[in-house]
Amino acid sequence: EPEVTQTPSHQVTQMGQEVILRCVPISNHLYFYWYRQILGQKVEFLVSFYNNEISEKSEIFDDQFSVERPDGSNFTLKIRSTKLEDSAMYFCASSEGTGSIYEQYFGPGTRLTVT
Amino acid sequence: GQNIDQPTEMTATEGAIVQINCTYQTSGFNGLFWYQQHAGEAPTFLSYNVLDGLEEKGRFSSFLSRSKGYSYLLLKELQMKDSASYLCAVRDNYGQNFVFGPGTRLSVLP
Repeated sequence: EPEVTQTPSHQVTQMGQEVILRCVPISNHLYFYWYRQILGQKVEFLVSFYNNEISEKSEIFDDQFSVERPDGSNFTLKIRSTKLEDSAMYFCASSEGTGSIYEQYFGPGTRLTVT
Repeated sequence: GQNIDQPTEMTATEGAIVQINCTYQTSGFNGLFWYQQHAGEAPTFLSYNVLDGLEEKGRFSSFLSRSKGYSYLLLKELQMKDSASYLCAVRDNYGQNFVFGPGTRLSVLP
């Protein structure tokens, strides 16, 4: 069964450093998403991406964040200057479409720890 | 505004039936989804409702009442592996992101 993959599974970085989280969505999916989940808290939407541009973003997704689809398979989330409060699990998701019947498939997540 | 509420924790016995409730108030509605999340893992899709009524998928069923802003997930014949968090998520506009509830942590006891 096709699945969303993410690398790395764990990333430890120092405050102020840049990190890039990588995702490979399911191959025939067109819509891509990033979510984050701070330990013990709910899953929060960051950004959605379609047709090589951001289609929606949340208040969390400020100027420190950016997304890119550098080639036909990868989808990346970059945090330019990490803060302690960026420590969380980051989930990538993808879906075939955006109608109500289309579920989002989640990757296994990248645990980011900012020290 | 967006508000989704679920009970924080529930406990049930192996073989029993448990109902996990979700109430929502969102600016729009385009479907309600239930996900299962084991600790440290990704959410996995269980069920969704767009129209009012009951959707059944094996041991899992989900119910929706749009007029009441209410849904529940029903798990039958509980197994130990069902111990997990159950996330209620509403798609609040046309096809974009999910708004997730806080999740209900279910513990299944022998």
